Amino acid sequence: GAGVSQSPRYKVAKRGQDVALRCDPISGHVSLFWYQQALGQGPEFLTYFQNEAQLDKSGLPSDRFFAERPEGSVSTLKIQRTQQEDSAVYLCASSPPSSGGETDTQYFGPGTRLTVL
Amino acid sequence: AQSVTQLGSHVSVSEGALVLLRCNYSSSVPPYLFWYVQYPNQGLQLLLKYTSAATLVKGINGFEAEFKKSETSFHLTKPSAHMSDAAEYFCAVSGASYDKVIFGPGTSLSVIP
Repeated sequence: GAGVSQSPRYKVAKRGQDVALRCDPISGHVSLFWYQQALGQGPEFLTYFQNEAQLDKSGLPSDRFFAERPEGSVSTLKIQRTQQEDSAVYLCASSPPSSGGETDTQYFGPGTRLTVL
Repeated sequence: AQSVTQLGSHVSVSEGALVLLRCNYSSSVPPYLFWYVQYPNQGLQLLLKYTSAATLVKGINGFEAEFKKSETSFHLTKPSAHMSDAAEYFCAVSGASYDKVIFGPGTSLSVIP
């Protein structure tokens, strides 16, 4: 079946531009996560949605970062006034409804590589 | 709070040799532990996960990991390395269902023919 998809796969922005990154989760997945992966490092949590509700945004690095999931499916991560330090791969992951109380596997998309010049 | 350390940012093994990638975690609650693999320009793929059931967890592609609470470790092993195993490997921890996952810095595995 279809996995998590993200678009665009690559984005080059000039410093100060706004960008919008899209994530299409696996159909039926309730939870959606955004992570930021800097070059040579592990992914770092940005924000989490359960359906359309943003339950945790503690990882967003500044108020220039904004995420939404208005209908509980597709999500958009928006970065305003991009800076060079925003250059990274942005990963989206989704997971299905919990069963038996166990933690659920997060399925990752291929990521969007953002380069800010 | 949770954290993960991975000893060795780069590991090289010969084809057919044992693969051992080390992971130690810190968690204030019973942890859920994961190993993910990332191939170049691709997303993360789950190799295996520990969720408080059996301490020896078997995953895909012949990998397995053992949860050792006394050592706060979750090392990843594979008896015989294959060229296709060359990739970046991430150990990760979370504290509960629907919790954010905290990733380690990763270990790059090279397989020498």
